Amino acid sequence: KAGVTQTPRYLIKTRGQQVTLSCSPISGHRSVSWYQQTPGQGLQFLFEYFSETQRNKGNFPGRFSGRQFSNSRSEMNVSTLELGDSALYLCASSLQGRPPTDTQYFGPGTRLTVL
Amino acid sequence: GDSVTQMEGPVTLSEEAFLTINCTYTATGYPSLFWYVQYPGEGLQLLLKATKADDKGSNKGFEATYRKETTSFHLEKGSVQVSDSAVYFCALSGNSGYALNFGKGTSLLVTP
Repeated sequence: KAGVTQTPRYLIKTRGQQVTLSCSPISGHRSVSWYQQTPGQGLQFLFEYFSETQRNKGNFPGRFSGRQFSNSRSEMNVSTLELGDSALYLCASSLQGRPPTDTQYFGPGTRLTVL
Repeated sequence: GDSVTQMEGPVTLSEEAFLTINCTYTATGYPSLFWYVQYPGEGLQLLLKATKADDKGSNKGFEATYRKETTSFHLEKGSVQVSDSAVYFCALSGNSGYALNFGKGTSLLVTP
């Protein structure tokens, strides 16, 4: 069974630009969560989608948004990029998004660098 | 709010040494507790989990026991290998369910 895939793996943008990251969950998984990983703040929850609906959102500004498609693939978008947005963005999928019965499986991440 | 505190790294051990990585948590109610591992260049992998007090999670020689009285979930392994070199994250999920709340991670380097 294929794992969680994220594209692109690496991305370089400049301040003020916007970026879209993509995540394909494991087949059959309907929940997709996004996390931001930085050396200073560690791993922080961005949002979670289930059946095309955002169920939960972390404490991030409105510049961070996401969506989920009918095939459970998800995208996240960051507008008006700031230097502090440089991070590894991780996507995780699970069957229903309900720990602990549902294990979250993580992708390899997208490394975003903002110059 | 919920939070997880891990011991600072990096931790450097010789092969076959005993490993302990401390993890304590603050949460209301009865959270579930997890250890994830991140190898270089890869995403996070679930190592083990425990869903209620006194539960012991175990996998690949690693163990952790959910101690509610001390709000702890320390990771242990009796004999580490070079291949265990990675970053280890303690995490909890609270009553809301959806989000994992992670500690800052502990880097482990095992030398031959």
